[in-house]
Amino acid sequence: GQQLNQSPQSMFIQEGEDVSMNCTSSSIFNTWLWYKQDPGEGPVLLIALYKAGELTSNGRLTAQFGITRKDSFLNISASIPSDVGIYFCAGQLPSNTGKLIFGQGTTLQVKP
Amino acid sequence: DSGVTQTPKHLITATGQRVTLRCSPRSGDLSVYWYQQSLDQGLQFLIQYYNGEERAKGNILERFSAQQFPDLHSELNLSSLELGDSALYFCASSVSGSTPYEQYFGPGTRLTVT
Repeated sequence: GQQLNQSPQSMFIQEGEDVSMNCTSSSIFNTWLWYKQDPGEGPVLLIALYKAGELTSNGRLTAQFGITRKDSFLNISASIPSDVGIYFCAGQLPSNTGKLIFGQGTTLQVKP
Repeated sequence: DSGVTQTPKHLITATGQRVTLRCSPRSGDLSVYWYQQSLDQGLQFLIQYYNGEERAKGNILERFSAQQFPDLHSELNLSSLELGDSALYFCASSVSGSTPYEQYFGPGTRLTVT
């Protein structure tokens, strides 16, 4: 099925470092959502973006909706051990449905 | 806690069998989505219901079917199960059936077909 291109695939960083990941697509999206998933659990919504150029923060997390509407990035500042997990971007195409198209995920590991 | 509930948490069954997964959306949400997560395919959209009616279909096999009941809970039926159907199945819900609205995911059902 259709997927977004998410990178990097994995990251191994030191506690306190900043992290950046992004998603790109050849299609235009109406909405970008960023989720975090712990093993065996459901994805947890972190940030939702609705307008091109929008920059939104949630604590140490900041995400942006790209101007072209074809990309988005997520930054995590001053990482801590509990940031460990898999981060997914998801987009909604302009349509009368809300179905999400997901990126492949970025696995983040944080070394204390 | 997202407010979306799914049962059962785990399901182990044999090839050829049929199972039913259940989902209750967040209070006030009218739309329910089903997703499948496998190691090789990632998170894939299966089907969406909005206020009892099918709204969108994704890569859902003909052996799979779903419905949304008047109380808005939804069930995903998987029949003639194959080994490759082993995966995590997630339900998500949103207020509306179209964009741009957030979707909240349940804890998932882990299906193992032996």
